[in-house]
Amino acid sequence: QMQLVESGGGVVQPGRSLSLSCAASGFSFSNYAMHWVRQAPGKGLEWVTVMSSDGSIRHYADSVKGRFTISRDNSKNTLYLQMNSLGTEDTAVYYCAKDKGRNPTDGLDYWGQGTLVTVSS
Amino acid sequence: QSVLTQPPSASGTPGQRVTISCSGSSSNIGSHYVYWYQQLPGTAPKFLIYFNDQRPSGVPDRFSGSKSGTSASLAISGLRSEDEADYYCAAWDDSLSGYVFGTGTKVTVL
Repeated sequence: QMQLVESGGGVVQPGRSLSLSCAASGFSFSNYAMHWVRQAPGKGLEWVTVMSSDGSIRHYADSVKGRFTISRDNSKNTLYLQMNSLGTEDTAVYYCAKDKGRNPTDGLDYWGQGTLVTVSS
Repeated sequence: QSVLTQPPSASGTPGQRVTISCSGSSSNIGSHYVYWYQQLPGTAPKFLIYFNDQRPSGVPDRFSGSKSGTSASLAISGLRSEDEADYYCAAWDDSLSGYVFGTGTKVTVL
């Protein structure tokens, strides 16, 4: 059974950093591109970043470029998101999502349940 | 704000057909596949339509997608109470070098 479990969310002060993880199981993690998508409270979905299956391709939304870094460890079936210089506008539920293909994108066909990041002083 | 525009709301009675539009541009819908996602209240999004009009296994054939030029549509026929959710279109955007979601449409079953 396919499973994506995000962790690492919490409350952080503006300007600080936070790291999220997404543990994958039930599928061949190394064969698929992976995304992070976020949703601010009461708002719509916002795509954040994607990494190809082999890690050679990365893309970022303009809103996080230069502050967030996506990475993956295929030996541990885990996706990461390093978030630096956080602002209140980064407060959201962060979802990890599997792509249907190796490279971005054939669609996000499976999603985790999300982890809440709250940026507040 | 999103580069893909959807109506904020749509509604219908059980059994009716509801259509949701998604308007984009040549850099996204006009040159890439369109995807649709369903988000039930309090849950993670679910993959609903891919490659403009394909349904993943398990998605009822009441849901159908189409694309024409720089616009796309999602149709829900035989509307049911469990279809009450937020629906988002999405596509890759060459200008942004990123994936973009639509503004979202809340479907209400009257």
